[in-house]
Amino acid sequence: DTGVSQDPRHKITKRGQNVTFRCDPISEHNRLYWYRQTLGQGPEFLTYFQNEAQLEKSRLLSDRFSAERPKGSFSTLEIQRTEQGDSAMYLCASSDRGGAGGAYGYTFGSGTRLTVV
Amino acid sequence: RKEVEQDPGPFNVPEGATVAFNCTYSNSASQSFFWYRQDCRKEPKLLMSVYSSGNEDGRFTAQLNRASQYISLLIRDSKLSDSATYLCVVNLNTGFQKLVFGTGTRLLVSP
Repeated sequence: DTGVSQDPRHKITKRGQNVTFRCDPISEHNRLYWYRQTLGQGPEFLTYFQNEAQLEKSRLLSDRFSAERPKGSFSTLEIQRTEQGDSAMYLCASSDRGGAGGAYGYTFGSGTRLTVV
Repeated sequence: RKEVEQDPGPFNVPEGATVAFNCTYSNSASQSFFWYRQDCRKEPKLLMSVYSSGNEDGRFTAQLNRASQYISLLIRDSKLSDSATYLCVVNLNTGFQKLVFGTGTRLLVSP
């Protein structure tokens, strides 16, 4: 386990379908983050877990989005009733530090690219 | 107004050139600052942290001006492999590492 793993790498779905993405963080990291990146933009924060507790959710995370981290290890991000505007790269990151410290140890996965047709 | 603003570019420069990117941020409570590099269709990767005293890593020099809320990145002797998008990032002190990214500045280095 040398990094953050995300599955699947690519997902094409029809509008209205539900999709679920998985993130496996670096094993010793207790903090996990989800970001979304659309074309031509930087990543935008969606939600944060410390262990199994979801401590922060962005307003970007509408009611159709839900994230879990049931045992404080892997996390899932589900989007219900997908819309074309959900097409984006969904990035997961993990870290072992909190607060205002540096980004050392803050590692991104390769992302899941979602296309809603 | 976006929390972190960058010129999206692209910056087209020849190999060997020196290029500078700038970024401004709006939240004066921002605690730490970074430059990330992102290659096409890949995840962002930390390039370097940015300190008020200025810091250098090989051909890369980063500078922070807290009073002006301004961050810069200087790349000297550009290489073809420097072609990428450079993301200016701030960490808001919200009790956890919430990174706020700029839109990125695209750099194209040509032979």
